[in-house]
Amino acid sequence: EAGVAQSPRYKIIEKRQSVAFWCNPISGHATLYWYQQILGQGPKLLIQFQNNGVVDDSQLPKDRFSAERLKGVDSTLKIQPAKLEDSAVYLCASSFFSGGAADTQYFGPGTRLTVL
Amino acid sequence: AQSVAQPEDQVNVAEGNPLTVKCTYSVSGNPYLFWYVQYPNRGLQFLLKYITGDNLVKGSYGFEAEFNKSQTSFHLKKPSALVSDSALYFCAVRGSVSNDYKLSFGAGTTVTVRA
Repeated sequence: EAGVAQSPRYKIIEKRQSVAFWCNPISGHATLYWYQQILGQGPKLLIQFQNNGVVDDSQLPKDRFSAERLKGVDSTLKIQPAKLEDSAVYLCASSFFSGGAADTQYFGPGTRLTVL
Repeated sequence: AQSVAQPEDQVNVAEGNPLTVKCTYSVSGNPYLFWYVQYPNRGLQFLLKYITGDNLVKGSYGFEAEFNKSQTSFHLKKPSALVSDSALYFCAVRGSVSNDYKLSFGAGTTVTVRA
């Protein structure tokens, strides 16, 4: 079974530029998550989708971050404009069920973003 | 809101010795507890989870974890560590209260197993 795919793996941009990350979840997984992992910290949830609907985006900085999952499969996370503090690893995860408490999340390899 | 504490930033053990990585949690309602491992430049890999039932949970790669409700702890253990177990370990918790299913992670513990 193929895992969660993410691209690109690495990205370097200058502040105020825009950037986009792509994620393809495990086939058949209904729920998709985007996390931000700053160096030295645990991952922090940015947004959760169930199929193509947003379940939780309470921690997404909506003035600069946006995400979509138009067909309920793959997803794109965008940052525009980027700030220095956005330097982090962006992880995508997916789970089979509806994202309930017992649901196990499976993570992709992440995209390491460096903002100069 | 739920939270997780991993009191040790680093754990160092010799190969063949027991390995313990500590985790305590705070959550509303019953806890759902998870352990993940992260190797350099890789995503998080699921090791095991506690939902309900036996307090001792067995997972991948010989790891197990013990749920202790009175101490609100969920320590990860391995009876005999390998050099290949050297990695970053994360404990995570979810509550059972509806609309509060966000998975909250600890800051991580770096495990180094020396040959």
